[in-house]
Amino acid sequence: AQSVTQPDIHITVSEGASLELRCNYSYGATPYLFWYVQSPGQGLQLLLKYFSGDTLVQGIKGFEAEFKRSQSSFNLRKPSVHWSDAAEYFCAVGGTSYGKLTFGQGTILTVHP
Amino acid sequence: GAVVSQHPSWVICKSGTSVKIECRSLDFQATTMFWYRQFPKQSLMLMATSNEGSKATYEQGVEKDKFLINHASLTLSTLTVTSAHPEDSSFYICTTSARGDGSRSGGYTFGSGTRLTVV
Repeated sequence: AQSVTQPDIHITVSEGASLELRCNYSYGATPYLFWYVQSPGQGLQLLLKYFSGDTLVQGIKGFEAEFKRSQSSFNLRKPSVHWSDAAEYFCAVGGTSYGKLTFGQGTILTVHP
Repeated sequence: GAVVSQHPSWVICKSGTSVKIECRSLDFQATTMFWYRQFPKQSLMLMATSNEGSKATYEQGVEKDKFLINHASLTLSTLTVTSAHPEDSSFYICTTSARGDGSRSGGYTFGSGTRLTVV
């Protein structure tokens, strides 16, 4: 069975600081990995995805993530956080690009001015 | 790009009544629709998977008689919460995938969600 762990429930950073959100997955084969962002009461917006190829993936809003098979990780990073990045972030894994997704518990990001 | 329109955005209903949530794919055919539920401050949990023209597949622990899913056409899937109770209050989100097309929104297009409050 596939599973996702986001170890950090809540992270607080100062505006302009760098950010790394952790994601560890469990899946028996090559996973399809996603990062989504959700603002309060809203749906999900895709930040980036990894299917194959280059393990460093660039996404929208200046985010990137690196797939590390040896560590079963897909951590999300941003070099300089903006106040508008405050939201909840979900890592998700799937067995294909169109099958069901399993989501992590989410990480709430708070940005201090 | 692909859009899934989900309605209503929010609904308040009395305990014991039924509520229908609709998800429409506006410019593409949604062969498969996934329905998720998100309790406050929790993650999204898959409730069921529906394929057009066939019965939905429910995840373990989800009552199929309580959460009725209909996917009668390639552009419309509905979730009906029957005899709703306060514990059914949650955020419900639909998402559809495009088989074989991983380039469009990661293969998934999410609805904007429905906030259900049962009083």
